[in-house]
Amino acid sequence: ETGVTQTPRHLVMGMTNKKSLKCEQHLGHNAMYWYKQSAKKPLELMFVYSLEERVENNSVPSRFSPECPNSSHLFLHLHTLQPEDSALYLCASSQLSNSPLHFGNGTRLTVT
Amino acid sequence: GIQVEQSPPDLILQEGANSTLRCNFSDSVNNLQWFHQNPWGQLINLFYIPSGTKQNGRLSATTVATERYSLLYISSSQTTDSGVYFCAVFLGNSGGSNYKLTFGKGTLLTVNP
Repeated sequence: ETGVTQTPRHLVMGMTNKKSLKCEQHLGHNAMYWYKQSAKKPLELMFVYSLEERVENNSVPSRFSPECPNSSHLFLHLHTLQPEDSALYLCASSQLSNSPLHFGNGTRLTVT
Repeated sequence: GIQVEQSPPDLILQEGANSTLRCNFSDSVNNLQWFHQNPWGQLINLFYIPSGTKQNGRLSATTVATERYSLLYISSSQTTDSGVYFCAVFLGNSGGSNYKLTFGKGTLLTVNP
């Protein structure tokens, strides 16, 4: 059983929809991450929050909007996505700096 | 640029066989992790191992930082070991932040019964 929970597991949305992905960690970590995994590509880091402050934003389009209301919860708000945004979106958490990353089960997103 | 290379890209084993997966990197590391992604997409952290050797059951890992490689050993493989194995590194010699982890492309392991 994972200490990082993501919902929903699967999401199909149209290009004009607005949806949100949710991540919750029960490990007492103080950093949370969003990763994107597309077919045949390495994992790409999207956002990092450390102590609830955004510390990394890897040139992600503005149609992806993260929110971290507290150290246990992380959201990814989606709007006007494109079909090429279809991918597996993974949330992870860790203690700051050098420590193991723990991933959630991911949300498989399909944009139609 | 940053280079993280994993080999082999694909590996097929019969249940019970042993295997070695390799991760080469192009610079000093302060942070190296091995992950297993199962066929349902879940990524499990196997080892945090910037140097030295660690063992966990049938799995063990060794990182030789001075020679810029890490090895993941799987002994007596089982069908549940199937999936993709990733190494991820932070290349640099100051700090070791998870923020800058670079993932390799992975090794796809298939264990047949």
